[in-house]
Parts: sequence; structure tokens; C-alpha cells
Amino acid sequence: DTAVSQTPKYLVTQMGNDKSIKCEQNLGHDTMYWYKQDSKKFLKIMFSYNNKELIINETVPNRFSPKSPDKAHLNLHINSLELGDSAVYFCASSRDRVNEQYFGPGTRLTVT
Amino acid sequence: AQSVTQLDSQVPVFEEAPVELRCNYSSSVSVYLFWYVQYPNQGLQLLLKYLSGSTLVESINGFEAEFNKSQTSFHLRKPSVHISDTAEYFCAVILPLGSYQLTFGKGTKLSVIP
Repeated sequence: DTAVSQTPKYLVTQMGNDKSIKCEQNLGHDTMYWYKQDSKKFLKIMFSYNNKELIINETVPNRFSPKSPDKAHLNLHINSLELGDSAVYFCASSRDRVNEQYFGPGTRLTVT
Repeated sequence: AQSVTQLDSQVPVFEEAPVELRCNYSSSVSVYLFWYVQYPNQGLQLLLKYLSGSTLVESINGFEAEFNKSQTSFHLRKPSVHISDTAEYFCAVILPLGSYQLTFGKGTKLSVIP
């Protein structure tokens, strides 16, 4: 069974479109995260939810909006996509805020 | 705020040779430390972690890391690398207060040469 899953794995879209990436974890974890990995492999936290409550909201454009319908899901919606949004987006979860994080396989977003 | 420095962006090493990937952190308080590995086109996997206790921690695949508080380091070592160890390695820290944000280093690309 996949612990942290993301869909889709690849997403190619045009500038100006709106898209969503879904994330689900079956580990029973309380905390979930979204990270962005750029072309140089640098990882940066975007958002974190703990028990469905937003606890980390880094400086990202407000075109990005996370939504957590329940503890097992954390989706990422992106409005008005721009070329600079092209990256790999990783979802992760952890039992609590200090323990190790389990990462999904990533979603490679390409904006043309 | 805490920060993590991985001094080497790329480390080429011959198969069966030893390797050390360096990691230094900056924090005025105690932190928790992690090493993650990312194989090509995959997500990150935890390699090992230090929360407390013994300063030498080991992974199941032969890697070890030693927490050195005085030098604020958490270097990763393996006595004999395999081709399958070729991957990107990330050092990360959590400050166990406030937002508990996991901060990553910029990564070290380990390339094992046959």
C-alpha cells in the first residue's frame, strides 16, 4: 500500500490555467505538508497543516491555496499558472511536527 | 532561525570507496537532525535521524551520521559505497519550537563510479 500518494504524477498545462494536485496519506498522521523543489533540487516548504489547521504558510503567491478536507488529504490548488510555477511539488506527512516526514512521489508541473 | 549548509554540491566516488557528505547547521538552540535520500525521479526517503541519545546513528543500509554539538555538524558517512547509492542526499533540521519547520540543505549529489 502506498503511504503518501499524489495525483497526477505529471501535469503539463498552459499559462493562465487553474490546476489542482491531490495528496492522500494512509498512515494516520496528523500533519501534512506541501514542498516545492526547483530545477536545482532546492526544497522549500510551502504549507503545513496539523489536524486540518494551517500552521505554516510560507511566502508563496496567493494564487496557491491549500485545502484540507480531512486529516488524510491535503490538496493544492493553483490559479493563473505562470512559467515560474514549473517545478516538482511534493506532499509529505508526519505523525507529529517533530518526527520524520514521509514524502509522496512528487508531481512534476510544467507550465508552457 | 535555523539554517543548514551542505558544503559539497557534488561528490563523485569510486565503488567500494568510503564517502563522507558534510552537513553543518546554525541554530542558537537544540535541533533535531535528519538525512533524507532522493533517488532519481522519486520522492525523499528518510535515511536516519538524531533526536536525542547516542550521537552516532545508523541506517539499515550501512550509512551512519554523527551529531557533533560543538562543531554543529551532522556528517553522513559510509565505509564502502555501491552503485545503488547514487542519489541526492539532503540534510535537514527541525527547531522543536514555534512552527517546527523542517529546513533542508541544498543537497549533495553522490555519484558512484563503477
